[in-house]
Amino acid sequence: SAVISQKPSRDICQRGTSLTIQCQVDSQVTMMFWYRQQPGQSLTLIATANQGSEATYESGFVIDKFPISRPNLTFSTLTVSNMSPEDSSIYLCSVEGESETQYFGPGTRLLVL
Amino acid sequence: GENVEQHPSTLSVQEGDSAVIKCTYSDSASNYFPWYKQELGKGPQLIIDIRSNVGEKKDQRIAVTLNKTAKHFSLHITETQPEDSAVYFCAASKGSEDYKLSFGAGTTVTVRA
Repeated sequence: SAVISQKPSRDICQRGTSLTIQCQVDSQVTMMFWYRQQPGQSLTLIATANQGSEATYESGFVIDKFPISRPNLTFSTLTVSNMSPEDSSIYLCSVEGESETQYFGPGTRLLVL
Repeated sequence: GENVEQHPSTLSVQEGDSAVIKCTYSDSASNYFPWYKQELGKGPQLIIDIRSNVGEKKDQRIAVTLNKTAKHFSLHITETQPEDSAVYFCAASKGSEDYKLSFGAGTTVTVRA
């Protein structure tokens, strides 16, 4: 399975600011995904990020709020823009593995004050 | 879209007993069903998965069963140990047709020593 790292692991931010989360994987992958996990809740897909194309966003998520970059096959960033307390969540990246599997990073724990 | 329901939301078992978590899905086109274990402060870890061409799969103390006709699948953990305490999520996807995972709400499992 892939080894995935995320930076930062956690952060406390002021409302109105933006935070960029990095996701690095130790092998080349075509598909990377960004999920949000609100406190005590399940995982919700934000967007799919394929290298060389624009990210595809799920219903309820927009590019202006969650811009994503995918500059190469091992790296992606998710920015949470103009944050409010409702954005306090765990943000997780995942990557495709063999045969439809997905492997998750450790997550970025965000608290917005 | 796909709707995955998971029960129970919490499960407390005595060490050495078995734990069973059940999930149902709505989209008959789903054909890939992974289970993830999430420990406190960590990202979800893939523990076992099953595809629609298989009815049962086992890996040591963990087994998963799938009933495509009834559209439900279950996770069985035998001989539970304290380190099995975690939140478990089921998920479903259409596999290579659409990698997006739809997650259940999660089950918090507590193994009492």
